[in-house]
Amino acid sequence: EDQVTQSPEALRLQEGESSSLNCSYTVSGLRGLFWYRQDPGKGPEFLFTLYSAGEEKEKERLKATLTKKESFLHITAPKPEDSATYLCAVQSWGSSASKIIFGSGTRLSIRP
Amino acid sequence: DAGVIQSPRHEVTEMGQEVTLRCKPISGHDYLFWYRQTMMRGLELLIYFNNNVPIDDSGMPEDRFSAKMPNASFSTLKIQPSEPRDSAVYFCASSVGRAGNTEAFFGQGTRLTVV
Repeated sequence: EDQVTQSPEALRLQEGESSSLNCSYTVSGLRGLFWYRQDPGKGPEFLFTLYSAGEEKEKERLKATLTKKESFLHITAPKPEDSATYLCAVQSWGSSASKIIFGSGTRLSIRP
Repeated sequence: DAGVIQSPRHEVTEMGQEVTLRCKPISGHDYLFWYRQTMMRGLELLIYFNNNVPIDDSGMPEDRFSAKMPNASFSTLKIQPSEPRDSAVYFCASSVGRAGNTEAFFGQGTRLTVV
């Protein structure tokens, strides 16, 4: 069964303090790994898709990387507006192809 | 495009009542997903459709839950009868199924409270 585990559950950083969020996954065959950002009271907002090990994507202060077992979301010099819950999700080539399974998320808080 | 549109945004109902949540996916998307989000269980996939046909409903918690997609631009999630433990935020999302670009785009959600 496909599984996604995110760590840490919560992370508090000072503005400008860089760090990384982890997403470990187990799938029968990875079709895609997705990162989303969710603000309170809103739906998840799509950030990145990664398809194969070694792939990297960047957007402003965020950089996502992928290996065969995990993905990292690196946050460089974060600002308070980066505070949100970051969700990782996977889609496999298994029996229910196109099924997208989410991890429990990392709540990120950036102090000014 | 206006994105995925859900209605209502908030719903408060009494235990035992029927609740219907509505979703309009992004035009041209052939996959539609219904998720439920709670603090305890996170974001759970309930059911998803491809070209209006239900593909996997293994996440639907009980027979009280049902979902339909009568056409490419509309889907409903119905709970009958509703119970307090159904209180959660329900999200609808849509995506395209071609190779690549299969990420799902979410609506703003419906916050359901059953009292």
